[in-house]
Amino acid sequence: EAGVAQSPRYKIIEKRQSVAFWCNPISGHATLYWYQQILGQGPKLLIQFQNNGVVDDSQLPKDRFSAERLKGVDSTLKIQPAKLEDSAVYLCASSLGRGARELFFGEGSRLTVL
Amino acid sequence: EDQVTQSPEALRLQEGESSSLNCSYTVSGLRGLFWYRQDPGKGPEFLFTLYSAGEEKEKERLKATLTKKESFLHITAPKPEDSATYLCAATTSGTYKYIFGTGTRLKVLA
Repeated sequence: EAGVAQSPRYKIIEKRQSVAFWCNPISGHATLYWYQQILGQGPKLLIQFQNNGVVDDSQLPKDRFSAERLKGVDSTLKIQPAKLEDSAVYLCASSLGRGARELFFGEGSRLTVL
Repeated sequence: EDQVTQSPEALRLQEGESSSLNCSYTVSGLRGLFWYRQDPGKGPEFLFTLYSAGEEKEKERLKATLTKKESFLHITAPKPEDSATYLCAATTSGTYKYIFGTGTRLKVLA
């Protein structure tokens, strides 16, 4: 079974530039999550989708971050404009259901903002 | 506020030296308690889910237990390949959020 795919693995940008990350979840997984993981910290939820609807985006900095999930499958996370504090690993995860099911994570996209 | 706290932050063990990692949680109605392993440069990998106090699960040298306030990940006779960051997360009956702790960085020396 193919896992969660993410790209790019690494990205270096200047502050105020924009960046986009892509995620393809495990086939059949209706729930998709984007997490931000700063070095030495646990993952912090940015946004959660159920199919192609947003369930929770309460911690997404909406002035600069946006995300969409087209046709309930692939998802993109965009940052525009980037700030230095956005340097982190962006993890995509998917699951069969919500709340009581394990999450399957991709390898992450490491962003460095200079 | 729902919260998950892990201790210690870092742990160094000699190969074969058993120990336990702690995950204490303060959540309104636990739905599930999850343990993940994260290797450097990788995403977290699922280990266990525990649903109710008294439940235990085992996998190779790892055993997870759950009480009403905390969970323990016991590592018996660890090997260097067990070196990783171990994360725990809780979900609540009121929401579908996974609340992660900050992890325990485990280093097992040969």
